[in-house]
Amino acid sequence: DSGVTQTPKHLITATGQRVTLRCSPRSGDLSVYWYQQSLDQGLQFLIQYYNGEERAKGNILERFSAQQFPDLHSELNLSSLELGDSALYFCASSVGQGDYTFGSGTRLTVV
Amino acid sequence: AQSVSQHNHHVILSEAASLELGCNYSYGGTVNLFWYVQYPGQHLQLLLKYFSGDPLVKGIKGFEAEFIKSKFSFNLRKPSVQWSDTAEYFCAVSGFQKLVFGTGTRLLVSP
Repeated sequence: DSGVTQTPKHLITATGQRVTLRCSPRSGDLSVYWYQQSLDQGLQFLIQYYNGEERAKGNILERFSAQQFPDLHSELNLSSLELGDSALYFCASSVGQGDYTFGSGTRLTVV
Repeated sequence: AQSVSQHNHHVILSEAASLELGCNYSYGGTVNLFWYVQYPGQHLQLLLKYFSGDPLVKGIKGFEAEFIKSKFSFNLRKPSVQWSDTAEYFCAVSGFQKLVFGTGTRLLVSP
């Protein structure tokens, strides 16, 4: 157990639907990062939050959004899902730069 | 912008063989460098990291990496691999605000 909790572990949904992925960071970590891992794109950085504020944005589609709540957990919302959104979504947390801990991921399958 | 190149996409070795995985990065500022391992079906685990100081970094499970600033490289090495080292290995660089990964190297160690 890395200390970063992601739920659900698996998610199967239909095209056009909307899903929410949840991440609880390691205790004491203020930063949360979201990554998408797919066979063709590798590990892509999506977005970072620090203590509730968006800090950095990567290759995140407009159909995707995220937020970090006062208790520091974060949610990644994926809408108008397409087959190509099928991937493993990882969350990581850190207290600063250089100490990243990853969760087990949510495997999203869009059918 | 930060970028990371891993030149070996697939590596097949026999047990007890030596391993070296190449990693080159591109970033104009001070970087932190990492190697992560992902065993089948599992989350990313940190093997080792370099922030500053001795450019030869020792990590877990007998892995080490050497930071060569003039070559922008951070190659991963292990003198003698085991079957249990079969996994995917990711080099990553942390610059401003985010951790950027290479495309990964799949290592298969045959018994």
